[in-house]
Amino acid sequence: EIVLTQSPDTLSLSPGERATLSCRASQSVNSRYLAWYQQKPGQAPRLLIYGASSRATGIPDKFSGSGSGTDFTLTISRLEPEDFAVYYCQQYGSSSTFGQGTKVEIK
Amino acid sequence: QVQLVQSGAEVKKHGASVKVSCKASGYTYTSFGITWVRQAPGQGLEWMGWINTYNLRTNYAQKVQGRVTLTTDSSTNTAFMELRNLRSDDTAVYYCARSRVTCIMSSCFGTDDDYWGQGTLVTVSS
Repeated sequence: EIVLTQSPDTLSLSPGERATLSCRASQSVNSRYLAWYQQKPGQAPRLLIYGASSRATGIPDKFSGSGSGTDFTLTISRLEPEDFAVYYCQQYGSSSTFGQGTKVEIK
Repeated sequence: QVQLVQSGAEVKKHGASVKVSCKASGYTYTSFGITWVRQAPGQGLEWMGWINTYNLRTNYAQKVQGRVTLTTDSSTNTAFMELRNLRSDDTAVYYCARSRVTCIMSSCFGTDDDYWGQGTLVTVSS
């Protein structure tokens, strides 16, 4: 099973700042099968990025994904109040796994 | 519009079984798979499994394999997740999600879970 480790666990930032979230895999992941989700309290996850760098339908371009192999990054260019949430990376395969999540909180 | 509507909250006894439904609408049901994910209180997301709604093939997480069965009824566009021999650490919100079908050689799996159900809380009591 591929283990995904996200860092940091919590990111404390102010609105307007840039957020950089990391996702590291225990073995190489095909970038076509790496996604990022946003989850707010009491809500289902929302697909942000698929294929490591493609934005899902309706996702604003302040969200961007990059990376390959074992290291992937989600960047939020300028944080707005609605962006404070928990973010998960996920790798797909016959056995899929999620990272443990990064909470982006207001500083 | 695409919608996934799940069945209501359940309270079950230790050792019992639960079956959660997920009714899809707004798209061609058998063109996508259904993934199941759960989230224990205050915890992260855990992938449970995936079903190809076209050919009924499934993939399961090792942690729940043997206790979980995913099924689908294309006549009603509904997917089901049954979990047996419930224990306290099965207490969680269970989500279904629409998944693209991706195949590499003869191995298929779900990707890009773009629409999600509202979640079903399953509480296991002793």
